[in-house]
Amino acid sequence: EAQVTQNPRYLITVTGKKLTVTCSQNMNHEYMSWYRQDPGLGLRQIYYSMNVEVTDKGDVPEGYKVSRKEKRNFPLILESPSPNQTSLYFCASSLRIGTAYGYTFGSGTRLTVV
Amino acid sequence: KQEVTQIPAALSVPEGENLVLNCSFTDSAIYNLQWFRQDPGKGLTSLLLIQSSQREQTSGRLNASLDKSSGRSTLYIAASQPGDSATYLCAVRRQAGTALIFGKGTTLSVSS
Repeated sequence: EAQVTQNPRYLITVTGKKLTVTCSQNMNHEYMSWYRQDPGLGLRQIYYSMNVEVTDKGDVPEGYKVSRKEKRNFPLILESPSPNQTSLYFCASSLRIGTAYGYTFGSGTRLTVV
Repeated sequence: KQEVTQIPAALSVPEGENLVLNCSFTDSAIYNLQWFRQDPGKGLTSLLLIQSSQREQTSGRLNASLDKSSGRSTLYIAASQPGDSATYLCAVRRQAGTALIFGKGTTLSVSS
């Protein structure tokens, strides 16, 4: 089944403890991206990657890092999580940029930082 | 700056009713517009994708239209069912940058 897989689904951590949320897609998509969803603010892009070894900041990149060493994987790294990073995170992928290509989203990771 | 607005924020209808969800956006320079469904605490399921050159797309009981020049899209749901209860999100893919810009959604409740 074509899908975007995120792990873990739920995570509770303490302030300052480094964590990684993994994202993997099996559709050979070039483009991958991370979003966070917050009440009243909706979904906002954190980082994106146009292809292997090509990443760039989205609208809310502060406090996050990403890497794209393989086409299928796009992990989100929080080096020193803070409570304001408590959110619902989504990974998404698209075959490429263009009018004909939509996004496929993962099931989400609910992160709580205490 | 692209902004996406969805009206109404919430909608309650009885089963069987036809309904329309509205989405408006401020910048017509878009690649496409995508409608998603989100169930509570769950991920986003893509419903329909309309390319910038298209006027509408249909899938089963769903029909989405796009009027790029006026910055509007509608999602029409025919013969609504309780299983349609969810939050519906509209998102435009802007030409500048790569992000999907989302509206805040319409939460639909269909009662049996």
